[in-house]
Amino acid sequence: GAVVSQHPSRVICKSGTSVKIECRSLDFQATTMFWYRQFPKQSLMLMATSNEGSKATYEQGVEKDKFLINHASLTLSTLTVTSAHPEDSSFYICSALLAGASYEQYFGPGTRLTVT
Amino acid sequence: GENVEQHPSTLSVQEGDSAVIKCTYSDSASNYFPWYKQELGKGPQLIIDIRSNVGEKKDQRIAVTLNKTAKHFSLHITETQPEDSAVYFCAASKAAGNKLTFGGGTRVLVKP
Repeated sequence: GAVVSQHPSRVICKSGTSVKIECRSLDFQATTMFWYRQFPKQSLMLMATSNEGSKATYEQGVEKDKFLINHASLTLSTLTVTSAHPEDSSFYICSALLAGASYEQYFGPGTRLTVT
Repeated sequence: GENVEQHPSTLSVQEGDSAVIKCTYSDSASNYFPWYKQELGKGPQLIIDIRSNVGEKKDQRIAVTLNKTAKHFSLHITETQPEDSAVYFCAASKAAGNKLTFGGGTRVLVKP
């Protein structure tokens, strides 16, 4: 089946530093990937839609200069949290769209970011 | 934009009993309704989905029903097992492949 990986699974960083999270589709090509944020015991909130070779589309209220998204290849999208602050601590989840008859989104295992 | 509400937020059932989770949506243009299961510390996994051209879909112990007129859809799990314990999310979008709007989630606990 379609597998999506994320790296790292957990990361702790200090305030003011930047952190990059990778999302890879391992056995299929994905022209579209999505980035979500999930707070403890809450639902998934879409942050942005990442399209290969073009700029990401951000949801209302998401700062594009703070959450940099790069979808440089058909199997890799990255999310960089710039100048991280404790309030950026969260579970970040990506999904990759498997184009075809079903157009299903396959989710990665998530990355837990803790900013100290 | 779309708004998806999900009930209940928590559900405790005895092993072997059925579990039902209900969702309502606001955008009549939505046509794709997936359900996801999320285990602790992991990403969501698609368990079943339904498109607006059908009213019901079943896959072994899991079934989903859709009422487009009333704008609600439900997940039914029969013969629940302890491994069904997880958080379940419903979602809606205009079409498969479009961005999803998620419900608030239901924490299901199946007691042995």
